[in-house]
Amino acid sequence: AQSVTQPDIHITVSEGASLELRCNYSYGATPYLFWYVQSPGQGLQLLLKYFSGDTLVQGIKGFEAEFKRSQSSFNLRKPSVHWSDAAEYFCAVASRGNQAGTALIFGKGTTLSVSS
Amino acid sequence: EPEVTQTPSHQVTQMGQEVILRCVPISNHLYFYWYRQILGQKVEFLVSFYNNEISEKSEIFDDQFSVERPDGSNFTLKIRSTKLEDSAMYFCASMGSSPSGEKLFFGSGTQLSVL
Repeated sequence: AQSVTQPDIHITVSEGASLELRCNYSYGATPYLFWYVQSPGQGLQLLLKYFSGDTLVQGIKGFEAEFKRSQSSFNLRKPSVHWSDAAEYFCAVASRGNQAGTALIFGKGTTLSVSS
Repeated sequence: EPEVTQTPSHQVTQMGQEVILRCVPISNHLYFYWYRQILGQKVEFLVSFYNNEISEKSEIFDDQFSVERPDGSNFTLKIRSTKLEDSAMYFCASMGSSPSGEKLFFGSGTQLSVL
């Protein structure tokens, strides 16, 4: 069955420092992968998605993610974190690939705290 | 940017009562979803809905749950007899087609508290 693992429950990063949030997936075919961010009291906002092609994907707010098939990973990165990046981050995989109407399977999330 | 609207934002109910959570998906979307997030836990898929029927559901979505699209705009989740463990944030989402073509839009959620 498809699954997503986010090994880090909580990460604290200093403002201006670089960030990497880990995500490992389990999926039999070509995965369709996503990163979402959830700020307190808010819904989920899509940061970026990967379907095919270039394994380095650019997203909004200066985030990027790299798909590594050999490691079954899709780690999220940002070169310089801002205090406003403090939020919950969720990695997700489409349960039925690119099939129309597919559901997303989410990881447990990583809480990012930013220290000054 | 278009939005998925959920009402109410907070709902408190007594155990055993029925609740209906309401969502207005984006108008030209075809696929509708309910997810839930228990406090401190991951976002869990409940059900997807297409062409006026359930297309996929998780183990969580048992006989106590039902979904309906009563008119051309609303999408509802009904919990027939709420339990304490149903307390969670419930998110509605909609998608136009496939994830490569469009993204999944989420509403801001309804916080359900069962007492």
